[in-house]
Amino acid sequence: DAMVIQNPRYQVTQFGKPVTLSCSQTLNHNVMYWYQQKSSQAPKLLFHYYDKDFNNEADTPDNFQSRRPNTSFCFLDIRSPGLGDAAMYLCATSGDRIETQYFGPGTRLLVL
Amino acid sequence: QQPVQSPQAVILREGEDAVINCSSSKALYSVHWYRQKHGEAPVFLMILLKGGEQKGHDKISASFNEKKQQSSLYLTASQLSYSGTYFCGTEIAGGSTLGRLYFGRGTQLTVWP
Repeated sequence: DAMVIQNPRYQVTQFGKPVTLSCSQTLNHNVMYWYQQKSSQAPKLLFHYYDKDFNNEADTPDNFQSRRPNTSFCFLDIRSPGLGDAAMYLCATSGDRIETQYFGPGTRLLVL
Repeated sequence: QQPVQSPQAVILREGEDAVINCSSSKALYSVHWYRQKHGEAPVFLMILLKGGEQKGHDKISASFNEKKQQSSLYLTASQLSYSGTYFCGTEIAGGSTLGRLYFGRGTQLTVWP
């Protein structure tokens, strides 16, 4: 089945220790998104790729970076995680910008 | 740019109906509705494009009034499986924000037997 896969499902890191979250998709979608969702809050868009074109949200901290080496994979790098970065990180894909977004199961990040 | 959802929470008995509203201060291109169960990813329900359309499948339907920048999600004869948090995601018309979804804070729906 075509799907959006996120690894790992749970990630524990230490304060200030870089961490990378990964997302892969078998849908062959052009667009990939990263959202941050804190407890009982709405998903908040961090950035998205339209093909290789990177689009950052104005309020996304510099601490968050992303890479998309090919169509199938996208990575979220948190250079120096703080306690406030503990959240669920959701990856989503869509065929084009105005189409349905399909979400992966998410990675729950805990910062100690 | 975040839309406003109401109500924040709804408690229903199985078989009852509910309406969840989503409104934006910006002109919208589309409205997307998702349901999220605790600890899981949001699951797509439906998308409504500008044009005032109404959509539905099974007992869940939605409308979009582009003049008012409002959308409503209608759940009829609710089932236990409808429990979860419902989010609307809005796509603002025009400009560089195309393709970006801004989600409301969610409506927590609980259905009791």
